Amino acid sequence: GESVGLHLPTLSVQEGDNSIINCAYSNSASDYFIWYKQESGKGPQFIIDIRSNMDKRQGQRVTVLLNKTVKHLSLQIAATQPGDSAVYFCAENIAGNQFYFGTGTSLTVIP
Amino acid sequence: DAGVTQSPTHLIKTRGQQVTLRCSPKSGHDTVSWYQQALGQGPQFIFQYYEEEERQRGNFPDRFSGHQFPNYSSELNVNALLLGDSALYLCASFHRGWHSPLHFGNGTRLTVT
Repeated sequence: GESVGLHLPTLSVQEGDNSIINCAYSNSASDYFIWYKQESGKGPQFIIDIRSNMDKRQGQRVTVLLNKTVKHLSLQIAATQPGDSAVYFCAENIAGNQFYFGTGTSLTVIP
Repeated sequence: DAGVTQSPTHLIKTRGQQVTLRCSPKSGHDTVSWYQQALGQGPQFIFQYYEEEERQRGNFPDRFSGHQFPNYSSELNVNALLLGDSALYLCASFHRGWHSPLHFGNGTRLTVT
């Protein structure tokens, strides 16, 4: 299968600080990317997506950056809150086919 | 508008038994994918159903099979359960086409003893 990996398996941030979660993907043909948040006991929850024809996309307190040159994706969370504590996954998709997921990064927000 | 629903939420089976998991997709979605998620890992693709046919399959043995019904709901069947099949099984749905995000259910936690 394809390889979607994360640089850091765990991340701890102070409440109110900004968080940055990184993801590397291996297939240059991937044209659609999604960030998911998974809380304990729940399924992954859609956060934000980005298509390969974009470099940046913003949502509410979240921004996704895509660098196709180095095949890198990042999720920025502004003013991180305790409710943001969860495991975050990036997923890549090629031409509407199956999604490939990375291992995930566990984000812990310190009050 | 109900999202993706899965049943049961938890299940305990004995090695060698068979299990059936069920999924109802989000309203408006026509494609269902099943994923296996081991503890501390990302979801691993099992297979995808569209128009009642298996369209894509991941690296899983034939013990894993599925079905999609005319109302788009789906079942995942696992035969001859192994201890290693213990995992969270996630169903995800989307509307087939380009650049449509997966929407996940909360999964079925399967424990094989």
